[in-house]
Amino acid sequence: QSVLTQPPSVSGTPGQRVTISCSGSTSNVGTNTVNWYQHLPGAAPTLLIYAFNQRPSGVPDRFSGSRSDTSASLAISGLQSEDEADYYCASWDNDLNGYVFGTGTKVSV
Amino acid sequence: EVRLVESGGGSEQPGASLRLSCEASGFSLSSHSMNWVRQAPGKGLEWISYISASGTTIYYADSLQGRFTISRDNAKNSVYLQMNRLRAEDTAVYHCVRELLIPAGRFFDFWGQGTLVAVSS
Repeated sequence: QSVLTQPPSVSGTPGQRVTISCSGSTSNVGTNTVNWYQHLPGAAPTLLIYAFNQRPSGVPDRFSGSRSDTSASLAISGLQSEDEADYYCASWDNDLNGYVFGTGTKVSV
Repeated sequence: EVRLVESGGGSEQPGASLRLSCEASGFSLSSHSMNWVRQAPGKGLEWISYISASGTTIYYADSLQGRFTISRDNAKNSVYLQMNRLRAEDTAVYHCVRELLIPAGRFFDFWGQGTLVAVSS
């Protein structure tokens, strides 16, 4: 059950900038931090952005995150072929007492 | 090196039970809350359960309807998911996921590769 809404797909050419939106509510995105995960085919998901706009060590600064009210966004600048993957936002939901994931966005380059 | 290795998946008929295990290494399991997240074929990620570092606080997704039980044994560096009354819709890859809680927020900082559970008659 996905409570956070993302576009099914986004596409771009190498070098372009693309953004992925994540729409939630006051019980999740509007109150708690939003994290982003990258899921490459055949691999385990990995943490891409945490606490709205923080990058773990090793994540290129081409990836950035932001939040406004009950929505969050992930931006990928300087798009590269290795960025082709599924991307998910996630946040803790205070009403559900659990994590909620976004519906997922497939990025094509 | 942090490692989370899931095991116990397989093919089962509807109504059967399975117990998944997650063996942790490379870090102190007792310092972390843990979660299970699944992904059904062709679908997105779905969080299904949380257990606090001590095991005293547990949460489940409503969709499970009381059929699954999460537990942990920090002395054995392991987390478990007991799955009862399996349904076809439980077919998925099940990931064991480490949670990190910091002042800035909470998030999953490391995922296991997952174990496949297939439920079919």
